[in-house]
Amino acid sequence: EDKVVQSPLSLVVHEGDTVTLNCSYEVTNFRSLLWYKQEKKAPTFLFMLTSSGIEKKSGRLSSILDKKELFSILNITATQTGDSAVYLCAVPHRDDKIIFGKGTRLHILP
Amino acid sequence: DAGITQSPRYKITETGRQVTLMCHQTWSHSYMFWYRQDLGHGLRLIYYSAAADITDKGEVPDGYVVSRSKTENFPLTLESATRSQTSVYFCASRFSPHRVDEQYFGPGTRLTVT
Repeated sequence: EDKVVQSPLSLVVHEGDTVTLNCSYEVTNFRSLLWYKQEKKAPTFLFMLTSSGIEKKSGRLSSILDKKELFSILNITATQTGDSAVYLCAVPHRDDKIIFGKGTRLHILP
Repeated sequence: DAGITQSPRYKITETGRQVTLMCHQTWSHSYMFWYRQDLGHGLRLIYYSAAADITDKGEVPDGYVVSRSKTENFPLTLESATRSQTSVYFCASRFSPHRVDEQYFGPGTRLTVT
């Protein structure tokens, strides 16, 4: 059965810390992996990764995919209170439906 | 309004009542989706539609009915609401089956079944 597993499920850190969020997957015919940020509303798209080892970066956020080991990480450096959110990892599978992990709830303390 | 909208945004209903959640998008996207989000479960696909008059079940379809008579609308009906259907419901749409990075979500409907 296709699945996406995220860890940790929740994380509390202080402002300025660096965090690493994990996502492992088992999906038939893997094509891509997606990261979203969700702040008490609809998820918003962050990154899509399709090739192994290539880092996608946007400001303080970066992500890398390891297709051999079937996982991805999302790094956030110099965290700010505005980074507090649920981060979702997702993978399209059969018929291009997207399956989501349960998310990591990140709380940044000022 | 441009984009993808959902109505109502909040709904409280009683067990056994029929409830319809509306989703409307202005992009003429072919693909539309309904998800529910519950604590501890993430987003789970209820139903999806590849075009008008084409719908299919997702991961958790029991107790729900959908229709798609027009491209822009994708209503979700709970035929006889149960407490386990208390959730936040998100509609989403995208133009292409392959451009998964261009899937956009509506603002959500918070449904409480008492």
